[in-house]
Amino acid sequence: QVQLQESGPGLVKPSETLSLTCTVSGGSLSSSYWTWIRQPPGKGLEWIGSIYYSGSTDYSPSLKSRVTISVDTSKNQVSLKLSSVTAADTAVYYCARGAGHYYSSGVYYYFDYWGQGTLVTVSS
Amino acid sequence: DIQMTQSPSFVSASVGDRVSISCRASQGIVSWLAWFQQKPGKAPKLLIYGASSLQTGVPSRFSGSGSGTEFTLTISSLQPEDFATYYCQQANTFPWTFGQGTKVEIK
Repeated sequence: QVQLQESGPGLVKPSETLSLTCTVSGGSLSSSYWTWIRQPPGKGLEWIGSIYYSGSTDYSPSLKSRVTISVDTSKNQVSLKLSSVTAADTAVYYCARGAGHYYSSGVYYYFDYWGQGTLVTVSS
Repeated sequence: DIQMTQSPSFVSASVGDRVSISCRASQGIVSWLAWFQQKPGKAPKLLIYGASSLQTGVPSRFSGSGSGTEFTLTISSLQPEDFATYYCQQANTFPWTFGQGTKVEIK
């Protein structure tokens, strides 16, 4: 059974960098898109970005200038860094596995495993 | 970016009711759509992928349909544990995008 666990500071000061780690257990990072998604309090889900196990990344255009996602296959971990945070970045941050489903037209990824989420508050 | 629009935003229903939630994409996404259920304080749970494929372990009262730009999630007979918020998400093109959510409430 694949399990994902987010970890990192729950409080970050404005203008600083938010750093979170997702540790994956019960499976390898291979052949999946590892993804960060966030949810501001009382609001909907926002895709932040994804990294393929090989290291290629895709980011939300609205966050691209501030986001870095990386993978450490030796530790089975995926990391998120979001720089220059403001109060608008306060949210529950989830990591999720995008599992590939293969069709004649290509492969498409769906989020089948999620961490429990971690609340990050941006405040001085 | 592909915008995903769900309707309605709120549904008030009773146990045993048939409930349908719509999701519209701003451009065609073939069948590359997922549906998630989220309960308060919990992570979303994948219900449907590929517009109509039931994720392993999800009850058969959940079904998905549609293609192109119009999609529907149907709960055939609402159970107490189904009161939650439901999201659609397109997996066709980066950036992956979610609908704004539909909350299913007890009538």
